[in-house]
Amino acid sequence: EAGVAQSPRYKIIEKRQSVAFWCNPISGHATLYWYQQILGQGPKLLIQFQNNGVVDDSQLPKDRFSAERLKGVDSTLKIQPAKLEDSAVYLCASSVLRDRGSYNEQFFGPGTRLTVL
Amino acid sequence: SQELEQSPQSLIVQEGKNLTINCTSSKTLYGLYWYKQKYGEGLIFLMMLQKGGEEKSHEKITAKLDEKKQQSSLHITASQPSHAGIYLCGARINYGQNFVFGPGTRLSVLP
Repeated sequence: EAGVAQSPRYKIIEKRQSVAFWCNPISGHATLYWYQQILGQGPKLLIQFQNNGVVDDSQLPKDRFSAERLKGVDSTLKIQPAKLEDSAVYLCASSVLRDRGSYNEQFFGPGTRLTVL
Repeated sequence: SQELEQSPQSLIVQEGKNLTINCTSSKTLYGLYWYKQKYGEGLIFLMMLQKGGEEKSHEKITAKLDEKKQQSSLHITASQPSHAGIYLCGARINYGQNFVFGPGTRLSVLP
């Protein structure tokens, strides 16, 4: 079974530029997550999709971050414009359909390491 | 402040030694997960604990969830260099709410 795919693996941009990350979840996984992991910290959930609908985006900085999952499969996360503090690893994860209170395991991709200069 | 705290923040042990990593929450945990992360890679699932008092083992790694479901420990027996990495606990803090992670414990195992 193929795992969660992410691209690019690394990206270096200057502040105020735009950047987009792509994620392809495990086939059949309805739930998709984007996390931001700043160096030395645990991952922080940015947005969660269930199929192509947003379940939780309470921690997404909506003035500069956007995400979509148009067909309920692949997803893109965009930052426009980027700030220095956006330097982090952006992790995508997927799981089977999550019921409220259930414990579905999340499978993580390798992440995209973003450096903003 | 972190909803999940981990201790220690980092740990350096000699190969063959035992070690314990703790994960603590001020709120009831609804499902506690342990993950391992190597530098530059994604998170690898280790095990999940659901019930207070539950204990699970995989190879030389044992995890427990305490009776009050507010703390978990991860114990590695006879550590090896392959155990090196960052160990992260994750959990649902309140019923139905989304996942939060602890800050991680960085483990180094000296050969």
